[in-house]
Amino acid sequence: SQTIHQWPATLVQPVGSPLSLECTVEGTSNPNLYWYRQAAGRGLQLLFYSVGIGQISSEVPQNLSASRPQDRQFILSSKKLLLSDSGFYLCAWSTGRREAFFGQGTRLTVV
Amino acid sequence: AQRVTQPEKLLSVFKGAPVELKCNYSYSGSPELFWYVQYSRQRLQLLLRHISRESIKGFTADLNKGETSFHLKKPFAQEEDSAMYYCALKTRVDQFYFGTGTSLTVIP
Repeated sequence: SQTIHQWPATLVQPVGSPLSLECTVEGTSNPNLYWYRQAAGRGLQLLFYSVGIGQISSEVPQNLSASRPQDRQFILSSKKLLLSDSGFYLCAWSTGRREAFFGQGTRLTVV
Repeated sequence: AQRVTQPEKLLSVFKGAPVELKCNYSYSGSPELFWYVQYSRQRLQLLLRHISRESIKGFTADLNKGETSFHLKKPFAQEEDSAMYYCALKTRVDQFYFGTGTSLTVIP
């Protein structure tokens, strides 16, 4: 069966520090991969979307970037975190005509 | 551009009462709609999708293309239904767009 792993679960980082959140999927090949930010009252905001290795689409301009170095690995990064980057980040995957499956999420606090 | 609107941020109903969570969408193509649920301390998970036309945990949702709506309904709410509910739209290129969510509280 397919599983999705996202880590770390929580992270506290100082302003100006770099960020790397990792997401991996097991049990499927060539999945579509997604990064979302979940904020109270704002729902889930699609940040990045990838259909394959090295193929990244950005939905909103921001201080973050995404990379897909391997088929089932999706990384969310920042060179210098801002206070406004604090939030709950979710990774998800889908294939074909199926729904999206979500990871447990990462709570990022920038201090 | 695609858009999903959930007008109610908070909804409270008494146990045994009917519940309806509203969802409206805007999309130029043929939409595929979903309802997701997030229980306390659990990950976001699929509740139901319109193409399946199924009832899950007593919930149903009908896609109304004329009104561009996909409201979630349950005739008799239960305490365990208390959760955050998100309506989602999937585009033809497999991007998922979510509404702002509705927090449902079922009062005993």
